[in-house]
Amino acid sequence: GIQVEQSPPDLILQEGANSTLRCNFSDSVNNLQWFHQNPWGQLINLFYIPSGTKQNGRLSATTVATERYSLLYISSSQTTDSGVYFCAGTSASGGSYIPTFGRGTSLIVHP
Amino acid sequence: SQTIHQWPATLVQPVGSPLSLECTVEGTSNPNLYWYRQAAGRGLQLLFYSIGIDQISSEVPQNLSASRPQDRQFILSSKKLLLSDSGFYLCAGGTGGSGNTIYFGEGSWLTVV
Repeated sequence: GIQVEQSPPDLILQEGANSTLRCNFSDSVNNLQWFHQNPWGQLINLFYIPSGTKQNGRLSATTVATERYSLLYISSSQTTDSGVYFCAGTSASGGSYIPTFGRGTSLIVHP
Repeated sequence: SQTIHQWPATLVQPVGSPLSLECTVEGTSNPNLYWYRQAAGRGLQLLFYSIGIDQISSEVPQNLSASRPQDRQFILSSKKLLLSDSGFYLCAGGTGGSGNTIYFGEGSWLTVV
């Protein structure tokens, strides 16, 4: 199966700072998604972004499918952005139904 | 978009007792369904997935089993819980195929004592 590497593993910011989270895939993927796991454990969909760029408020994401990576940008971070961010994708070969997740980036935003 | 309902939200069970976690899906038919476990340390471990009624695939050998008695119902079970079964269990559903967007339920915190 594919391997998913996320960086950095941990990130600590002051409120108002910007940050970039990265997700690298070992092979071509379909159905690339970003999630935010809040402190209560719930995984919230942020973006479905197999390619290109999308923006939603202070968050945006870019996927360069040919180079097998995706970036999540958080601007003007707030304490409510704290939590763990995951990316996931399914292998583009073999008709896989199984999304493979990275180990996540743990973000703490201090007031 | 689809909605995943999962319950119970929390439970504390003694070692050797049975387990049943239930997950239902709204907003789509014939979804791909998944059970994940998240232990301390953050990673999501895929336990089971299903592409249709009574079609279950297990990813890891373990003390758990899964069933899909209806199209939009997915159940995680155990006959006898072990201490090592403690963790956070997440049900997820996907639309399938290209554009397989995954949505998660609220999760179930299981503590085996």
